[in-house]
Amino acid sequence: SQTIHQWPATLVQPVGSPLSLECTVEGTSNPNLYWYRQAAGRGLQLLFYSVGIGQISSEVPQNLSASRPQDRQFILSSKKLLLSDSGFYLCAWSRDRGWSEAFFGQGTRLTVV
Amino acid sequence: KQEVTQIPAALSVPEGENLVLNCSFTDSAIYNLQWFRQDPGKGLTSLLLIQSSQREQTSGRLNASLDKSSGRSTLYIAASQPGDSATYLCAVKTGDGNNRLAFGKGNQVVVIP
Repeated sequence: SQTIHQWPATLVQPVGSPLSLECTVEGTSNPNLYWYRQAAGRGLQLLFYSVGIGQISSEVPQNLSASRPQDRQFILSSKKLLLSDSGFYLCAWSRDRGWSEAFFGQGTRLTVV
Repeated sequence: KQEVTQIPAALSVPEGENLVLNCSFTDSAIYNLQWFRQDPGKGLTSLLLIQSSQREQTSGRLNASLDKSSGRSTLYIAASQPGDSATYLCAVKTGDGNNRLAFGKGNQVVVIP
């Protein structure tokens, strides 16, 4: 069976510090991978998605970047965090088929102070 | 751009009553629609997936219907229980070839014992 791991679960970082959130998927190959951010009252916003190693599409211009160094690894990064980067970050995967189901990790609560 | 709306944003029902949650979307060119459950501070758990060619899906006390032509889906939860208290999210997978999910803001449900 497939599983998705996301860590850390909680993170408190000062403004201007770097960020690295990691997501890995087990039990499948060549998944589509996604990073979403959930802000209070605003729903889930797609930040990045990837259909393969090194292939990253950005949905919104922002202070964040994503990388996919391995087939089942997806990393969300920032060089210098802003207060506005605070939120709940969720990683998700689906098979590379239009009809396939999406599965989510348990999320990372990021607070920038 | 696909827009997904969920009404009502929040509702409370006494235990034992049936729950009806509504989701509407603006672009009927979708691959599928997925209902998720989210508990406070947690990730998303997939409940039901309805393909664009299907009219409904059932799992236990849950039933979801899809009317693609009118851009609507309804999630029914029969005989609600306090453990059903959570936020329910509707998401549609857009048919533009990028396999992205567009989310509603959710229905926050409280089942009163």
